[in-house]
Amino acid sequence: DTGVSQNPRHKITKRGQNVTFRCDPISEHNRLYWYRQTLGQGPEFLTYFQNEAQLEKSRLLSDRFSAERPKGSFSTLEIQRTEQGDSAMYLCASSHGLGGSYTFGSGTRLTVV
Amino acid sequence: EDQVTQSPEALRLQEGESSSLNCSYTVSGLRGLFWYRQDPGKGPEFLFTLYSAGEEKEKERLKATLTKKESFLHITAPKPEDSATYLCAAQTNSGYALNFGKGTSLLVTP
Repeated sequence: DTGVSQNPRHKITKRGQNVTFRCDPISEHNRLYWYRQTLGQGPEFLTYFQNEAQLEKSRLLSDRFSAERPKGSFSTLEIQRTEQGDSAMYLCASSHGLGGSYTFGSGTRLTVV
Repeated sequence: EDQVTQSPEALRLQEGESSSLNCSYTVSGLRGLFWYRQDPGKGPEFLFTLYSAGEEKEKERLKATLTKKESFLHITAPKPEDSATYLCAAQTNSGYALNFGKGTSLLVTP
């Protein structure tokens, strides 16, 4: 197990299209997080899963965003009807216990044109 | 509202020139204060977790310290490979999210 894997690495989409990203966490990690990062900013929390349960969502998360983690393994993040403001790096992280020593993936860079 | 502020935004050092990065936080019920390093185009890489005022942690040329209002990342005799963005983040007792600052972009020149 070499770490947290995210696919695709890059995605260019037209405004209004739907996109889906995948995250494969470290296998023994039961906690999974999604963050969004724009240029010059720190990562911004989106949502958190413990096993398959989505336990926390940011108030900033639009209803166009949905995340799943079936069977507590990989996770997907879907953005419907993309907007130019959705252009960002989407980061996934996983951890074993409570605390912030997450292992982050390399992210999916989304560009909405 | 919980807030994490990092300074300076950017820092340029010559190789061997020691300095410190600052992270000020205003949060209700700090569970932990975290430092990450981020290289361009990559995800953040975990460095340290500090849980209580007075705590210190070290790793190679880096030392992190914590008070009740701020944390410092001290870099001793930096090398060009230490060039990166350094992020700090606070986690509170009320949730699981990390609240990140905007980061300090460090450039170490030979």
